[in-house]
Amino acid sequence: KAGVTQTPRYLIKTRGQQVTLSCSPISGHRSVSWYQQTPGQGLQFLFEYFSETQRNKGNFPGRFSGRQFSNSRSEMNVSTLELGDSALYLCASSLTPKGSNYGYTFGSGTRLTVV
Amino acid sequence: DAKTTQPPSMDCAEGRAANLPCNHSTISGNEYVYWYRQIHSQGPQYIIHGLKNNETNEMASLIITEDRKSSTLILPHATLRDTAVYYCIVRDTGTASKLTFGTGTRLQVTL
Repeated sequence: KAGVTQTPRYLIKTRGQQVTLSCSPISGHRSVSWYQQTPGQGLQFLFEYFSETQRNKGNFPGRFSGRQFSNSRSEMNVSTLELGDSALYLCASSLTPKGSNYGYTFGSGTRLTVV
Repeated sequence: DAKTTQPPSMDCAEGRAANLPCNHSTISGNEYVYWYRQIHSQGPQYIIHGLKNNETNEMASLIITEDRKSSTLILPHATLRDTAVYYCIVRDTGTASKLTFGTGTRLQVTL
């Protein structure tokens, strides 16, 4: 079966702009989580959505937001981009918010560069 | 979620067993031990998880000490494709809906 699909794969944006990243979970998975990975902070949890509702949120400023659609696809948005937002953004899907017995399945990520 | 401590790096010769340790001395009774790995520029990949008993699947074995304060991930016959960062995570699957990653162990498999 198809894995977690994230688009675009690479993105370059200018400071002050906003960006939208997309994630399509594995078919049948209803929970989508987002993570940010930087060399300095490592992998950090952003938020999780289940049944179109945000169920959990990490410690990120309000510039970071997300949503989930009825087909479980999710988008995350970052407004007023800063240089420090340059990172690999990873999406993970699971059957339920608790990750099921087999944890989460991650996509390959979107590499965002802010210049 | 309990914190974990892992060595920052390890080397292993191809074909030999790779034994990756993890300390989780503050683990609580409801927390499982999960292992993920991340190959360069890819998303983390689930390997194995366990609560108390040792576990084995097609990828690896997980040995958890009787007091559950530490565990070891064993890759029985490491290959070059096993070169990656390995993360040990403890998580209460009943309540936590996120993974808290530490810094992991960078495993380098060499010829």
